[in-house]
Formats: sequence, structure tokens, C-alpha cells
Amino acid sequence: QKEVEQDPGPLSVPEGAIVSLNCTYSNSAFQYFMWYRQYSRKGPELLMYTYSSGNKEDGRFTAQVDKSSKYISLFIRDSQPSDSATYLCATRPGGNKLTFGTGTQLKVEL
Amino acid sequence: DVKVTQSSRYLVKRTGEKVFLECVQDMDHENMFWYRQDPGLGLRLIYFSYDVKMKEKGDIPEGYSVSREKKERFSLILESASTNQTSMYLCASITGESGYTFGSGTRLTVV
Repeated sequence: QKEVEQDPGPLSVPEGAIVSLNCTYSNSAFQYFMWYRQYSRKGPELLMYTYSSGNKEDGRFTAQVDKSSKYISLFIRDSQPSDSATYLCATRPGGNKLTFGTGTQLKVEL
Repeated sequence: DVKVTQSSRYLVKRTGEKVFLECVQDMDHENMFWYRQDPGLGLRLIYFSYDVKMKEKGDIPEGYSVSREKKERFSLILESASTNQTSMYLCASITGESGYTFGSGTRLTVV
């Protein structure tokens, strides 16, 4: 079993929709959780970062962690075509290495 | 702003060539990483370094080596390039608790 599982998509939504992106993880020791956004032919960039359980909001983006079910979510409100990208979830069990999901490709259509 | 620079965006090399991928960070960070990214497989860690001249193998080190002679520079070396090393290569530097800063990536094609 992979440490972090993520549905690869692709996911296609109309502009203005609410998008829900999800990951599950296997190791209850994971404490730090991140979402990266990667545009085509670019490196990933950090979008959201949370520690332990709970929600974190930044503009149209909300990151949610449910440690009891080992579930990580990213919600995008009022989605825009510029949100079209691959979204990677990541966890950091300890030390300096991150473990990544395989990424979900999102397309927001006009 | 933190910056990680990879010297080449696109490279085409022949099978058997020795290939050098360069990465420079301007943040005085100790920890640097090399990943490769392939469709359906995600990001896989090749090597990382936690200080000058210090390195550790990641999950897929076979066919690769690394060099860290100066703190700001971390090089990935393909000793004898093969077609199965065609991939997107990403360098990263750790940015504290919040994770990594990545370079823009090098898309390597081995023919």
C-alpha cells in the first residue's frame, strides 16, 4: 500500500464550481500536510500547509485534515480557469523528507 | 523570495552519455533533494543531501549519483544514461516546516 493515495483524475469542472480534491494516507504518525500546485512544465509550488487536524483557509482555498480517518482535502471555491493544474498532496512524517501523492489533474472550463 | 534554479529546462542526451543536472539555491539551506516525476508514479526521491559532501539514497538511487561540494549547489549525475531515465527531474530545497521550494524542473529525454 502506498503511503499517500490520490485519485489522478483528470477532473473537469465548469468555471465557478466548488472543487474537492482528496488524499488518504496510511501512517498515523504523519503530522504535517501540504498541498502543492503544479502548472504544466513547471515545478510544484506550495499552496497550503497545515499541521495536525483541522481546517485552514486562504482566500478561495481551504485545506482540511481529518486524522481520525487519515483523510486530506483541498477545497477550491469559485474555481477559475487559472486554477487548471495538477494538485499534489504531501505529508511529512518527521525529518526532512516529504511523501507525495501522485497528483490530481484539474481542468476548469470556461 | 526563496529561489531554486535548475540550469537546464530541456535536455536531449544519447544512451550511454554521462549527464549532469545542476541545481542552485540561494537560501543557505542545508537540505536539498532530487526527485524524478513520471506520469502515474508521481514524485520519487532519488537522493538527498543534508550538508556539504553529505548524501543519502532515496527510494530510487540506482543509475544515479550526486555531488554537493558547496552548500548552494547540488548536482545529479546519470553515470550512463538509459532510455528509462527519460523523465522530469526536480530539485528542491527544504523551507522549514512548510515544505519544499522546487526548481522549475529539467525535462530529460534519452534517445
